[in-house]
Amino acid sequence: AQTVTQSQPEMSVQEAETVTLSCTYDTSESDYYLFWYKQPPSRQMILVIRQEAYKQQNATENRFSVNFQKAAKSFSLKISDSQLGDAAMYFCAYRSALTGTASKLTFGTGTRLQVTL
Amino acid sequence: DSGVTQTPKHLITATGQRVTLRCSPRSGDLSVYWYQQSLDQGLQFLIQYYNGEERAKGNILERFSAQQFPDLHSELNLSSLELGDSALYFCASSVRPLAGGPRDTQYFGPGTRLTVL
Repeated sequence: AQTVTQSQPEMSVQEAETVTLSCTYDTSESDYYLFWYKQPPSRQMILVIRQEAYKQQNATENRFSVNFQKAAKSFSLKISDSQLGDAAMYFCAYRSALTGTASKLTFGTGTRLQVTL
Repeated sequence: DSGVTQTPKHLITATGQRVTLRCSPRSGDLSVYWYQQSLDQGLQFLIQYYNGEERAKGNILERFSAQQFPDLHSELNLSSLELGDSALYFCASSVRPLAGGPRDTQYFGPGTRLTVL
């Protein structure tokens, strides 16, 4: 079974600065997808970014980018120019790409990000 | 707005009771997933339906059941409720074979907060 580990329960960043959230995962599969979801105080789960394991290029979405290290099974999220609205819980998630398997998401325990002035 | 709707937003009930949570997926999405978010268990996959058929089961209790209707909306039924069932229940949808877009990405509804007293 796949597992996802987020070892930083809480992080803090100053507005306009850059912060990196860590995520590691364990799998025996070679093809899969990785995601970062954001959960603000409203509790809505919002997709931040996705990465396909077969692509070596790191995904980027505006101020959000990832550092995907497949051999190390590491998938960190970098937030540049942090804004107050980035304050939220961030979840890393794994999904198998194997045909015929359940396409459920396996989540990490989350990292709470605080953004200070 | 993800396009996934869930009703009700909040539900307060007593132990031993039965409730039904409803989810409408994004237009054209065939898959519906149910997740439970609780303080002690984190985000857990419960069950997946694809075009009306059960596709996968996760950590879903026997007291819980779900179905997906011909119009693709889904309902999660929770019975003989216990205090420990208090949680945020999310529905997510994915797969848009006609509209295109990434088939692997799940979009979440706003959730239903269940409180069992």
